[in-house]
Amino acid sequence: DVVMTQTPPSLSVAIGQSVSISCKSSQSLVYSDGKTYLHWLLQSSGRSPKRLIYQVSNLDSGVPDRFSGTGSQKDFTLKISRVEAKDLGVYYCAQTTHFPPTFGGGTKLELK
Amino acid sequence: QVQLKESGPGLVKPSETLSLTCTVSGFSLTSYHVSWVRQPPGKGLEWMGVIWGDGSTAYNSALKSRLSISRDTSKSQVFLKMSSLKTEDTATYYCARDHDGYTLNWFAYWGQGTLVTVSS
Repeated sequence: DVVMTQTPPSLSVAIGQSVSISCKSSQSLVYSDGKTYLHWLLQSSGRSPKRLIYQVSNLDSGVPDRFSGTGSQKDFTLKISRVEAKDLGVYYCAQTTHFPPTFGGGTKLELK
Repeated sequence: QVQLKESGPGLVKPSETLSLTCTVSGFSLTSYHVSWVRQPPGKGLEWMGVIWGDGSTAYNSALKSRLSISRDTSKSQVFLKMSSLKTEDTATYYCARDHDGYTLNWFAYWGQGTLVTVSS
């Protein structure tokens, strides 16, 4: 199975600051169609996960452009600019290029 | 409006079989695939298995011997059955739909989850 490694495990941030979360995969996530199926999800406290970004950098509907995703092959980053209180929670990266789909261990974003 | 909602018993005894239902609305099960994902308390997400639009299934190899996913398209329901439950199977169980029915952009829509506790 593809192992997804997220760093850091937790982050303390002040409102208005910017943060970045790293996600590295044990194999390249480029699929045979040339696309990269790496996604980012946010799980707010007590809620179900919500996908924010798909295919590395595409924002899901309603997701503010303060969120951005970059990366290629095995190395990916989620950046959140001007963090707001509603951005707090656990962020997961997930890959669906290879079977079975796998998730990173999560990065908990907390208030400083 | 796409919606998924899980339901099932909150408490199951060890060695018994878990049965969960995911009731969907706003889309057809024949056009999209639905996965089951679970999350032990305080831990991360684990993909369990999927039922494709054509009704075929695929499972996580770690659970394959105990897991079965099926559906009733007339009732817009997807079912999960997992046998020989252990205390380690205590988790919140989610069903999740893909993005568009034909790409690998999974996990676009999620249910609210249902907590299952395995205890005698």
